[in-house]
Amino acid sequence: DTGVSQDPRHKITKRGQNVTFRCDPISEHNRLYWYRQTLGQGPEFLTYFQNEAQLEKSRLLSDRFSAERPKGSFSTLEIQRTEQGDSAMYLCASSLYSGRARNEQFFGPGTRLTVL
Amino acid sequence: AQSVTQLDSHVSVSEGTPVLLRCNYSSSYSPSLFWYVQHPNKGLQLLLKYTSAATLVKGINGFEAEFKKSETSFHLTKPSAHMSDAAEYFCVVMVSGGYNKLIFGAGTRLAVHP
Repeated sequence: DTGVSQDPRHKITKRGQNVTFRCDPISEHNRLYWYRQTLGQGPEFLTYFQNEAQLEKSRLLSDRFSAERPKGSFSTLEIQRTEQGDSAMYLCASSLYSGRARNEQFFGPGTRLTVL
Repeated sequence: AQSVTQLDSHVSVSEGTPVLLRCNYSSSYSPSLFWYVQHPNKGLQLLLKYTSAATLVKGINGFEAEFKKSETSFHLTKPSAHMSDAAEYFCVVMVSGGYNKLIFGAGTRLAVHP
């Protein structure tokens, strides 16, 4: 399968613990996005990378959240000192950005986080 | 600021009858609009996209949507519903200016009854 993959698919953790999620985009895609989806809502933008550069972060991304994309390939999203309000589906998407083109974003299956 | 509003949180239809999922958008620029579908325990899948070409856009699985600038609408339709169409549908606008981040509506859950 050459689509976007995410690992793990499910994560249960206790409040206060740190968690890290991984996203592997489609190999030739230079842009990578993270979104968060809570129950009954549409996904909300968190942050995105063009190659290895993180170009924008949402106000939703508190200082407990950090994302990286070393070497412009896979990306990790870390949440420190998790809170129950962090429980959500974390979605990763990738696209091939080329100037003015508004290219489709391809989504992974998501990582469902439950904070007890 | 750009946004989308999905006018119905739930829509229920009988198999074989038409589907209409309503979406209004707000954008200062010529928008790029999308419809995504999310089946349970599966990732988001693109149904169709409008990027300032033809106003009637055809997508996968028999879905289509019409961009109406005068009404700021981008409603999703299908002539005949299948049981497999039951899912959550999201209307999405792409933020312009190079960011290309997506702004999702709250979603419409489509139920299809035999």
